Amino acid sequence: AQSVTQPDIHITVSEGASLELRCNYSYGATPYLFWYVQSPGQGLQLLLKYFSGDTLVQGIKGFEAEFKRSQSSFNLRKPSVHWSDAAEYFCAVGALGGGNKLTFGTGTQLKVEL
Amino acid sequence: GAVVSQHPSRVICKSGTSVKIECRSLDFQATTMFWYRQFPKQSLMLMATSNEGSKATYEQGVEKDKFLINHASLTLSTLTVTSAHPEDSSFYICSASTGRGIGETQYFGPGTRLLVL
Repeated sequence: AQSVTQPDIHITVSEGASLELRCNYSYGATPYLFWYVQSPGQGLQLLLKYFSGDTLVQGIKGFEAEFKRSQSSFNLRKPSVHWSDAAEYFCAVGALGGGNKLTFGTGTQLKVEL
Repeated sequence: GAVVSQHPSRVICKSGTSVKIECRSLDFQATTMFWYRQFPKQSLMLMATSNEGSKATYEQGVEKDKFLINHASLTLSTLTVTSAHPEDSSFYICSASTGRGIGETQYFGPGTRLLVL
């Protein structure tokens, strides 16, 4: 069975600083990887996803993520954080043959200091 | 596009009563809908997968007689928590996708907070 680990429960960055949120997965085959953001009172919004091809994936709101098979990682990055990026971020993995089911990590709460 | 709504957004009920939560895809047809449960400061745990017109598939450990799921149309799925108890208090989230293919994007609703007294 697949699993996802997000090592950082909380991260605080200053507005304008760069951001990297870590995600490690465990899966026996090629994973399908996703990053979602959850803001209070709103549903999870898809930031980006990786299926195959270019390992550097561009998403919405200026986010990108890089798939590194050798490290079983799919870290999310943003060069310059805005105060509106404060939210909960979830990494998820989907499995081939899993009927499109997703397994989520425990999330990373991002706080942005002005 | 791809908006999913949930109703109600929050509900408080007495122990022993049943509560129905609706999940609607507003601008697309959802072949598959998923129901998740999220505990405070924890991840989303998949409860069940429902495909329009067929019985839901429940994850291991989820009581199908307690959490009744109906996916009667391509835009509506309902989750009924029967004989709710305080331990059922949680945040319930649905998602919908247009297909069953690998990697189909799931679009999430805003969630329903259930408090059972």
